[in-house]
Amino acid sequence: DTEVTQTPKHLVMGMTNKKSLKCEQHMGHRAMYWYKQKAKKPPELMFVYSYEKLSINESVPSRFSPECPNSSLLNLHLHALQPEDSALYLCASRALLGSPEAFFGQGTRLTVV
Amino acid sequence: SQQGEEDPQALSIQEGENATMNCSYKTSINNLQWYRQNSGRGLVHLILIRSNEREKHSGRLRVTLDTSKKSSSLLITASRAADTASYFCATDAAIGGSRLTFGEGTQLTVNP
Repeated sequence: DTEVTQTPKHLVMGMTNKKSLKCEQHMGHRAMYWYKQKAKKPPELMFVYSYEKLSINESVPSRFSPECPNSSLLNLHLHALQPEDSALYLCASRALLGSPEAFFGQGTRLTVV
Repeated sequence: SQQGEEDPQALSIQEGENATMNCSYKTSINNLQWYRQNSGRGLVHLILIRSNEREKHSGRLRVTLDTSKKSSSLLITASRAADTASYFCATDAAIGGSRLTFGEGTQLTVNP
C-alpha cells in the first residue's frame, strides 16, 4: 500500500469555524509533511514531523495547528482562518531511513469564506 | 523560502518532441528529486538523483545534476499528450533535517 489518504477532499469554512484536515499512511514512514499550495505556485512547506515529533515549523501562523497522534496519522487543525488561507493543502510522507522519495496525498481543497 | 528556481515557467511542444526543464538551487543538498503534478492534485515522484551522481535515466526520463553550478535538468524524450502536467524539482537539504523544498515548477503542455 503506497497510498497517502487525505480527508476531506474539499472543505468550505467560515472565518469563525474550527475544522481539521486528516492524513493517513500505512507505509511505515516516520516523516510526515504538510504543504500549502496556491494556484500556479509550488508547494510551500508548513510543518514536518519526524518520529511523531514536530521537527520543522516554517513560521506558520498559530491559526494552523498540526498534530501527529501516531506514526500513521497527521492532522492539521484550523481555526479563525482568513480568506487568503484558501489553498490546496497537501500531506506527504517518506521514510527517514532508506529511499527519500515522498508520497503525496491528493490534497484538500480549502476555501475560506 | 523556496530553494529551487525552474525555467522555463511554461513549455508547449508537439507530441514526439523532447522537453527539457531546468532547476537551480541555492544550498548544499543530499539529493534532488523531480515530481509531476496533474491539475493541482497530488504530486507523484518521478526520479531522484543523489549529490554524488551526475546523470540518471528512468524510461523516457533523463536527469542531470551539476553540483558546482547548483543546477539540474530533466529531459522527457518522445513526449506524449499524457505528459501534460506541472513538473517540480525538489531539493533535500544536506542540513536542516528532513526539509524537502520545491522549485517554482514548469507547466508542460504537449499538443497532440
